[in-house]
Amino acid sequence: GAGVSQSPRYKVTKRGQDVALRCDPISGHVSLYWYRQALGQGPEFLTYFNYEAQQDKSGLPNDRFSAERPEGSISTLTIQRTEQRDSAMYRCASSLVAGGITNSPLHFGNGTRLTVT
Amino acid sequence: AQSVTQPDIHITVSEGASLELRCNYSYGATPYLFWYVQSPGQGLQLLLKYFSGDTLVQGIKGFEAEFKRSQSSFNLRKPSVHWSDAAEYFCAVAASSGTYKYIFGTGTRLKVLA
Repeated sequence: GAGVSQSPRYKVTKRGQDVALRCDPISGHVSLYWYRQALGQGPEFLTYFNYEAQQDKSGLPNDRFSAERPEGSISTLTIQRTEQRDSAMYRCASSLVAGGITNSPLHFGNGTRLTVT
Repeated sequence: AQSVTQPDIHITVSEGASLELRCNYSYGATPYLFWYVQSPGQGLQLLLKYFSGDTLVQGIKGFEAEFKRSQSSFNLRKPSVHWSDAAEYFCAVAASSGTYKYIFGTGTRLKVLA
């Protein structure tokens, strides 16, 4: 597609339920990033992939959060046993080049707004 | 590890006035630096980037930014602000080696008065 696509756009779930957020990056983009953005804050790094390999997951808050990108394209961020504090905008971004970012900035999707009630 | 500080949470300027948004970074070597803009309900859009070379970089929508190594700063400027520039602006830094995660500042919300 023309840009990074995220689905769903909005997700409301009850505390304790699992949720899966999907990201479809720009075609041909090698790197894929997940960020979480609370209201009034900047994007907070969660994890990123080069192709299907998860390069850095240091930003995942705890073991309820996981991400995968099995075929090096679409990625899924899964949150198990959701809690109210997980409510935020979850943003995905992709980048053309792996292993070096010269002239390869991040292209962001419009995000998934998650609300845990 | 790299970090970014945007000291101004909110800035209000009149249309036609000049603008400067501050960004300070922390990183041991020369970083990669970016400014992104976020309009309500939208994703983040890249305004400009600095990788190396000329320390004054030009971006889209008439924005520019200057990298000052001695001050660890990368301030965003625009000589004449338009009402459509009202948005939230984020500075970001990425390491120039090792892990390529981008770290964002907390943002500056710009309000433009008619």
